[in-house]
Amino acid sequence: SQQGEEDPQALSIQEGENATMNCSYKTSINNLQWYRQNSGRGLVHLILIRSNEREKHSGRLRVTLDTSKKSSSLLITASRAADTASYFCATSRGGYNKLIFGAGTRLAVHP
Amino acid sequence: KAGVTQTPRYLIKTRGQQVTLSCSPISGHRSVSWYQQTPGQGLQFLFEYFSETQRNKGNFPGRFSGRQFSNSRSEMNVSTLELGDSALYLCASSLGLAGTLNEQFFGPGTRLTVL
Repeated sequence: SQQGEEDPQALSIQEGENATMNCSYKTSINNLQWYRQNSGRGLVHLILIRSNEREKHSGRLRVTLDTSKKSSSLLITASRAADTASYFCATSRGGYNKLIFGAGTRLAVHP
Repeated sequence: KAGVTQTPRYLIKTRGQQVTLSCSPISGHRSVSWYQQTPGQGLQFLFEYFSETQRNKGNFPGRFSGRQFSNSRSEMNVSTLELGDSALYLCASSLGLAGTLNEQFFGPGTRLTVL
């Protein structure tokens, strides 16, 4: 079963706009990670945020984590057509590698 | 550094058959995890192997099994295939060190179709 939900399920924007995706989860976590998947291919790791962190940046990506609300958001600024993909959040507990994924957000960026 | 490789990339089987999928992790990585992705259930954790031992297991029936070799390469096996086993099977490798936060690197996946 999945740990949580992402919203929106689908997002359609124009190039240059910002895209915000949200993720909620159910149990306490050690960290939360965001992944990108292009059309049925493998997952690409984007960013990891630890449970004691509130915000993290990587290039055009900004991730926030609110453990009191059990939620996270991924912001992609100045989006490009190449950002078109599905985005998943994944949580882990304990020190090992069992990732629990959300349902994902399908992002379409139109030129 | 070479990435995670999975073979075969595509596979077609019929119900009742069994299948073996292979995953070669990034050099130096000792942990390999397997995930199943379907449109209905999304991404679900199958199991994780570390140093040839299963360290974590998801909620899948015993028809799903795996193993890891001394060179960290891993195989997963599905016996008595069912139509619902059609999915993209992804493996991920990481350093797998206990108590640390390991970034997992995913392979391109094996697309299994059961007819």
